[in-house]
Amino acid sequence: KQEVTQIPAALSVPEGENLVLNCSFTDSAIYNLQWFRQDPGKGLTSLLLIQSSQREQTSGRLNASLDKSSGRSTLYIAASQPGDSATYLCAVTDSWGKLQFGAGTQVVVTP
Amino acid sequence: DAGVIQSPRHEVTEMGQEVTLRCKPISGHDYLFWYRQTMMRGLELLIYFNNNVPIDDSGMPEDRFSAKMPNASFSTLKIQPSEPRDSAVYFCASSLALGGRLQPQHFGDGTRLSIL
Repeated sequence: KQEVTQIPAALSVPEGENLVLNCSFTDSAIYNLQWFRQDPGKGLTSLLLIQSSQREQTSGRLNASLDKSSGRSTLYIAASQPGDSATYLCAVTDSWGKLQFGAGTQVVVTP
Repeated sequence: DAGVIQSPRHEVTEMGQEVTLRCKPISGHDYLFWYRQTMMRGLELLIYFNNNVPIDDSGMPEDRFSAKMPNASFSTLKIQPSEPRDSAVYFCASSLALGGRLQPQHFGDGTRLSIL
């Protein structure tokens, strides 16, 4: 059974520092991996999607890497801003389209 | 693009009552997902549809839960009878398969359900 783990559970950094969020999964037979952002009382917004054949994806200040063989993905957010404060979730997809989520990392960026 | 629309946004009802949650996916999307989010268990997939057909309902917790998708633009999740432990935020998401690959799922803002 696939298990997705995110470390740390919570993170607080001063504005301007780079953020590093980790995600690990136990079964490497994934279809793709997604990083989501969730603001309080809101739904999830997809940030990046990495197909199983890719090593990384970039969007603006965000960069996500994927090492499928070791079951790891890392989300980097450069030059953090207070507006980056949110919960970040990673999720892996199996070949049938089923998403398995991690518990999330709650991020606070202090001005 | 109106996004995924869920209703109601909040629902408070007494245990034993029937609850119906509604979802309108993004037009043209052929996959629809229902999730439940709680502090204890995080986000769990309950059921998903492809072209209005239920594909995997293994996440539905009990027979008290049922979901339907009568057409491509509407889905319901029903709980009957409801219990306090059903209190959670329920999300609907939709997606599209292109070239045999699933595109990112788009989530609605969720329905916050409280069963007293």
